[in-house]
Amino acid sequence: AAGVIQSPRHLIKEKRETATLKCYPIPRHDTVYWYQQGPGQDPQFLISFYEKMQSDKGSIPDRFSAQQFSDYHSELNMSSLELGDSALYFCASSRGTGEGYEQYFGPGTRLTVT
Amino acid sequence: AQSVTQLDSHVSVSEGTPVLLRCNYSSSYSPSLFWYVQHPNKGLQLLLKYTSAATLVKGINGFEAEFKKSETSFHLTKPSAHMSDAAEYFCVVSDAEGGADGLTFGKGTHLIIQP
Repeated sequence: AAGVIQSPRHLIKEKRETATLKCYPIPRHDTVYWYQQGPGQDPQFLISFYEKMQSDKGSIPDRFSAQQFSDYHSELNMSSLELGDSALYFCASSRGTGEGYEQYFGPGTRLTVT
Repeated sequence: AQSVTQLDSHVSVSEGTPVLLRCNYSSSYSPSLFWYVQHPNKGLQLLLKYTSAATLVKGINGFEAEFKKSETSFHLTKPSAHMSDAAEYFCVVSDAEGGADGLTFGKGTHLIIQP
């Protein structure tokens, strides 16, 4: 079965650079979520999109932005990178929203900021 | 606001013995509860979910969890541990009532399986 695809899988950037992470949801899934997992930490919700509109916002820094495109893939744009942004970034997708609509996670993008 | 508390940061059991990972939740609404597993350097895999149907939920790989509203608990159990169960386990809550709400994760429990 098709899963959530994230690219790139690994990314190394320097401080103050920008990074773009991409997420391709499972086919026919219309909702995308982004999470950040720091070293040894639990995943923290950043932002979600339903039918290409922002749906919920978590602890996403102002330096980050995201969008969902007409083909339902999503991109997380990160600017003025800081050392503390080094983390594993997960994308998840679901078909629909609300109770019972479980989120399927991608393998993650490991971002290292040097 | 919603939250989950995983009562143990580390649990160590011997292979073949029962596993118990404890989780308590706090939620303003009728919650959806999940257990996810994360193997080292891997993504998050859904083990099981509770969404106001049967209070005893069976998941993959022999895991199950029981929702107890009176105790606000959702403990994860498995009758017999296997070496491949060694991983990080997250108890997760969602208050999603029609919106694409993000999940709230517990701090995780590291499960160690002794040979």
